[in-house]
Amino acid sequence: EAQVTQNPRYLITVTGKKLTVTCSQNMNHEYMSWYRQDPGLGLRQIYYSMNVEVTDKGDVPEGYKVSRKEKRNFPLILESPSPNQTSLYFCASSFTAGPSSGANVLTFGAGSRLTVL
Amino acid sequence: QKEVEQDPGPLSVPEGAIVSLNCTYSNSAFQYFMWYRQYSRKGPELLMYTYSSGNKEDGRFTAQVDKSSKYISLFIRDSQPSDSATYLCAMKAAGNKLTFGGGTRVLVKP
Repeated sequence: EAQVTQNPRYLITVTGKKLTVTCSQNMNHEYMSWYRQDPGLGLRQIYYSMNVEVTDKGDVPEGYKVSRKEKRNFPLILESPSPNQTSLYFCASSFTAGPSSGANVLTFGAGSRLTVL
Repeated sequence: QKEVEQDPGPLSVPEGAIVSLNCTYSNSAFQYFMWYRQYSRKGPELLMYTYSSGNKEDGRFTAQVDKSSKYISLFIRDSQPSDSATYLCAMKAAGNKLTFGGGTRVLVKP
């Protein structure tokens, strides 16, 4: 089954304790992205990756890191989590859009709910 | 001002009614317009997408885009309790970056 898998699905942690949320896709997609979803603010992009070893900041990158060493994996790293990073996180992937391409369909993971105390 | 505005709802309708959802946007470069459906505790899934202005129909769902007014709509006919979800509009110019609305929560009551 084609899917994006995130782990953990739920996590409660404390301020300053480093954590990693893993994301893996089995569709051979070049493009991967992380979003956070907060009430009233919708989905906001944190980081994205156009391909292996190519990553770039989205709209809200502060406090996060990512890496793309393999095509299928795109982990999100919180080096020193703070309470304002309490949120619902989604990883998504798609084929890479060229400048004149059509709507690339993003496939989302099921989400990871993170609480930072 | 947000780039994409969407009423958060909730929008409560009786089963069988027409659900009408809409988004407004400010970026005239947006060319591709999408609607995602998100069930509770799930990730969003693509429902429909349209390119530029016009209508698109898929079963009980109709998407409309009016680029001159910077306004898009989604209509759900003969709504069912299983349509209860949050509906997110999303749009993009060329490239991969999607800009999402905040989502409208829809409740279809039996």
